[in-house]
Amino acid sequence: GENVEQHPSTLSVQEGDSAVIKCTYSDSASNYFPWYKQELGKRPQLIIDIRSNVGEKKDQRIAVTLNKTAKHFSLHITETQPEDSAVYFCASGGFQKLVFGTGTRLLVSP
Amino acid sequence: DAGVIQSPRHEVTEMGQEVTLRCKPISGHNSLFWYRQTMMRGLELLIYFNNNVPIDDSGMPEDRFSAKMPNASFSTLKIQPSEPRDSAVYFCASSPGLNTEAFFGQGTRLTVV
Repeated sequence: GENVEQHPSTLSVQEGDSAVIKCTYSDSASNYFPWYKQELGKRPQLIIDIRSNVGEKKDQRIAVTLNKTAKHFSLHITETQPEDSAVYFCASGGFQKLVFGTGTRLLVSP
Repeated sequence: DAGVIQSPRHEVTEMGQEVTLRCKPISGHNSLFWYRQTMMRGLELLIYFNNNVPIDDSGMPEDRFSAKMPNASFSTLKIQPSEPRDSAVYFCASSPGLNTEAFFGQGTRLTVV
């Protein structure tokens, strides 16, 4: 079945620095790649997504890039703020199914 | 819309007991997913439904787990008998169609003692 690998598992940065989280997927039929943010004790919520016909997408301080040939995609957060601290999950969507990576715990220190 | 509604929010039960988790998806959403979240394994997809029909249950860990969706507005995940290793947060999510945003419920924190 589909496998999504996510790195790193933890990431600590100083406020104002950039953070990059990387994921790889195995199913070449996957065509939808969302990123979710989960704050402590809360539900995962979508922050940005990208489809296979697009190589990059930006939304303010957040950007996602996709390399379909290499089967990997990345989340970039610029000018990080303490409120960006959370667990971030990538996911890969094939035929209806949405499979998540294992998550990255991001800690932004003031 | 109130979003995806799960009940109960917390469940503590003794080993061997039957546990039933409930989910009401967002009205009009065609897909429903059950996930289990633990520190060790992250978010695992257990089963998902499309138009009330189970499509893929390959993530269901054992025969002790079963899920139903009798209509478009209700789904259950049942564990019988429960074991301590089933302790986790169980999320239900729904989405309006193929490869679109999945909206998560608040989750049910299950503790089996």
